Amino acid sequence: DGGITQSPKYLFRKEGQNVTLSCEQNLNHDAMYWYRQDPGQGLRLIYYSQIVNDFQKGDIAEGYSVSREKKESFPLTVTSAQKNPTAFYLCASSIFPGRYEQYFGPGTRLTVT
Amino acid sequence: AQSVTQPDIHITVSEGASLELRCNYSYGATPYLFWYVQSPGQGLQLLLKYFSGDTLVQGIKGFEAEFKRSQSSFNLRKPSVHWSDAAEYFCAFAGAGSYQLTFGKGTKLSVIP
Repeated sequence: DGGITQSPKYLFRKEGQNVTLSCEQNLNHDAMYWYRQDPGQGLRLIYYSQIVNDFQKGDIAEGYSVSREKKESFPLTVTSAQKNPTAFYLCASSIFPGRYEQYFGPGTRLTVT
Repeated sequence: AQSVTQPDIHITVSEGASLELRCNYSYGATPYLFWYVQSPGQGLQLLLKYFSGDTLVQGIKGFEAEFKRSQSSFNLRKPSVHWSDAAEYFCAFAGAGSYQLTFGKGTKLSVIP
């Protein structure tokens, strides 16, 4: 079955540590996205990538970094510079970038203490 | 500024009753519009989308939505709610030339047996 996988489901880290969240898709989609979700805030775009080896900042990129070395993979690193990293992180993909429906993974809940 | 508003933070309905969730957008042209559903701790699932054409669109799980240009609205409806419909619902839109979706803050639906 095609889809998007995110691992792990739950992640715990100490303050000051960098942490990388995994996102893999086998839908053969060109575009991939990372969102952050906080209660009552909806989804906010962190980074997106239209093609391999290219990515752009979204609305809240500060304290985050990404890479896109393979079409299938778009890992997100939450760095120690991110002031409030505890949140639910969602990865998505779409067949092309732009005005197309996005398909979401199951999410990773990150807790930093 | 481009935005999408979901006026209702939380709605409670009885099982078997009809449902309407409101969504209003602010955009100078016709946007691409989407409704997603999210169960607790899960990713988002696409319910339906509007790109052009017939203003009444059918989606999965018995949902439908109507695009009203004059009211800048894209309300989601279901004639008879089931207990399994309890979830959070997000409206989203994409404007011309945009590479991202803009999400509303969501409406949480509770269903009374």
